[in-house]
Amino acid sequence: DTEVTQTPKHLVMGMTNKKSLKCEQHMGHRAMYWYKQKAKKPPELMFVYSYEKLSINESVPSRFSPECPNSSLLNLHLHALQPEDSALYLCASSAGTSGRTDTQYFGPGTRLTVL
Amino acid sequence: AQSVTQLGSHVSVSEGALVLLRCNYSSSVPPYLFWYVQYPNQGLQLLLKYTSAATLVKGINGFEAEFKKSETSFHLTKPSAHMSDAAEYFCAVSAETSYDKVIFGPGTSLSVIP
Repeated sequence: DTEVTQTPKHLVMGMTNKKSLKCEQHMGHRAMYWYKQKAKKPPELMFVYSYEKLSINESVPSRFSPECPNSSLLNLHLHALQPEDSALYLCASSAGTSGRTDTQYFGPGTRLTVL
Repeated sequence: AQSVTQLGSHVSVSEGALVLLRCNYSSSVPPYLFWYVQYPNQGLQLLLKYTSAATLVKGINGFEAEFKKSETSFHLTKPSAHMSDAAEYFCAVSAETSYDKVIFGPGTSLSVIP
């Protein structure tokens, strides 16, 4: 099973709302990622968790808060977002054991709209 | 600094024609290179990757890519385009200093004309 699942598929929220995006994988991978993707652009890395510890934070605003409750789950908590945060949010995972040759497996994404 | 360039933000080919998507990279360490495809409203899927084992890499769906160090290129080809190949294609290189990071190119949108 090489599947990464993400919920919800679509999310519409106001600027004062608090919501969470969820990601799950059962491949035994030890690295998990959050990306933000705008239309017709490549994914932009936001956060990386390696062995359940935050290893990379690409200077993302604090209104985005990641959480890795266990090795299979990754959450992204959203609070006080801005309309420019509207995008496709992609989760990915990789084995975390082969170094720079690791393949990242992507989920289908959550389409977020901030009103 | 590492970077990936993809010549042509949009490429159109006729069904049955050769597909050639270009990728050039810069890296101060031996590169590991990837091609990902993204179909509309979906996540990215790995097509193939170069890990220094062989310079000609075969991937899924009939795609292949050749690593040319002298040209710092990793172009993606497919002999005969299918309508189902219409998608966004991203070339990527592993970051020099982080095991968990890849640098994506800007992407090439492939259209297939019937």
